[in-house]
Amino acid sequence: DTGVSQDPRHKITKRGQNVTFRCDPISEHNRLYWYRQTLGQGPEFLTYFQNEAQLEKSRLLSDRFSAERPKGSFSTLEIQRTEQGDSAMYLCASSLGGGGLYEQYFGPGTRLTVT
Amino acid sequence: AQSVTQLDSQVPVFEEAPVELRCNYSSSVSVYLFWYVQYPNQGLQLLLKYLSGSTLVKGINGFEAEFNKSQTSFHLRKPSVHISDTAEYFCAVIKNTGFQKLVFGTGTRLLVSP
Repeated sequence: DTGVSQDPRHKITKRGQNVTFRCDPISEHNRLYWYRQTLGQGPEFLTYFQNEAQLEKSRLLSDRFSAERPKGSFSTLEIQRTEQGDSAMYLCASSLGGGGLYEQYFGPGTRLTVT
Repeated sequence: AQSVTQLDSQVPVFEEAPVELRCNYSSSVSVYLFWYVQYPNQGLQLLLKYLSGSTLVKGINGFEAEFNKSQTSFHLRKPSVHISDTAEYFCAVIKNTGFQKLVFGTGTRLLVSP
């Protein structure tokens, strides 16, 4: 059981730089989710893919954020022109199907620090 | 929209004592309910979930939760905690129709001391 993996685990960047995170879901899972978790808060939904199609985006996902899932496998989340407010843990999750009937399995997260 | 309230940001407890972590939710539609645990520097792990049926749900590591529809609550309990239960616990809901995203509470840090 390889689980959901995320890379890198930690990223420190300077304000204004671009960063890209990668998520590898469990191989047979067709649904992939991105969440953001700031200090002292629970995870907040950012976006969701079913196979390669991005079906939902939160209002939290500003124009500086873009996510892709080419070929319905791994996913990338890019943040352009990072700001200090982007500092957070970015979590990826995957599931075999939709809704509460199918468990979302979470990766270990990528912790972003913007200086 | 759905929302989840975890009023206790931190709950200190001694080892082998019982514990209850409180969760209340608000939703205009029916929801499924979940408890997740997050250990330091790790992702979230599902403890238990309520979809339908019996309102008392048993999960992993000896945890259980009771769904109370009239009080819109889903409190998590364990009769005897261990040091290893020290972690952050998140209650979450997901609506059972349409697009379904997890909506989390702010979390409760359980601190178990010897």
